[in-house]
Amino acid sequence: QQQVKQSPQSLIVQKGGISIINCAYENTAFDYFPWYQQFPGKGPALLIAIRPDVSEKKEGRFTISFNKSAKQFSLHIMDSQPGDSATYFCAASTRYSSASKIIFGSGTRLSIRP
Amino acid sequence: NAGVTQTPKFQVLKTGQSMTLQCAQDMNHEYMSWYRQDPGMGLRLIHYSVGAGITDQGEVPNGYNVSRSTTEDFPLRLLSAAPSQTSVYFCASSYSGTWELGGELFFGEGSRLTVL
Repeated sequence: QQQVKQSPQSLIVQKGGISIINCAYENTAFDYFPWYQQFPGKGPALLIAIRPDVSEKKEGRFTISFNKSAKQFSLHIMDSQPGDSATYFCAASTRYSSASKIIFGSGTRLSIRP
Repeated sequence: NAGVTQTPKFQVLKTGQSMTLQCAQDMNHEYMSWYRQDPGMGLRLIHYSVGAGITDQGEVPNGYNVSRSTTEDFPLRLLSAAPSQTSVYFCASSYSGTWELGGELFFGEGSRLTVL
């Protein structure tokens, strides 16, 4: 019940295309869903986050879509660029719990072909 | 802006050896944690601390020790290294540890450990 399942494990997208990464969770108590971006040789960094009171959040070319009934959320990267090549982790937690309770997905390695 | 600093970046150990991974942050964050990253496994929490003198176990604590004598430092000790501890280790800190109060995790650049 505590898992966050992320797919696909790896993804290759042509420059200018749309990259889509999906995550699913079981614990209905989760109410905070961040995405972290990790470049090779670096640590993860917060990219964008959503709370379930909205179905979509957009920041530039990055959009999180959230489906509360299906317990799924996804990251869309529009007009994907080579600089977006990185590993992406979805995560889930509850707003008022300790950061120690955050559960990470297994990660998606995204490669954008020029 | 140093943020979270980890040393060393790379280390090779022999089975049974001990070592300490260092982590320091200059953001005055109360919450600090250690994760290990393995292919296909995501980020798994080893130990965490909510303040100086307070530590607790995460998901995969066996074979590791931590202590928190200052707000800035949170070293991770491997007591007797095993090949299963070959991994990339990340230290992370957070202002408060809860998301409503700005609990975004700030990660170091990682320490790649190989145990032969």
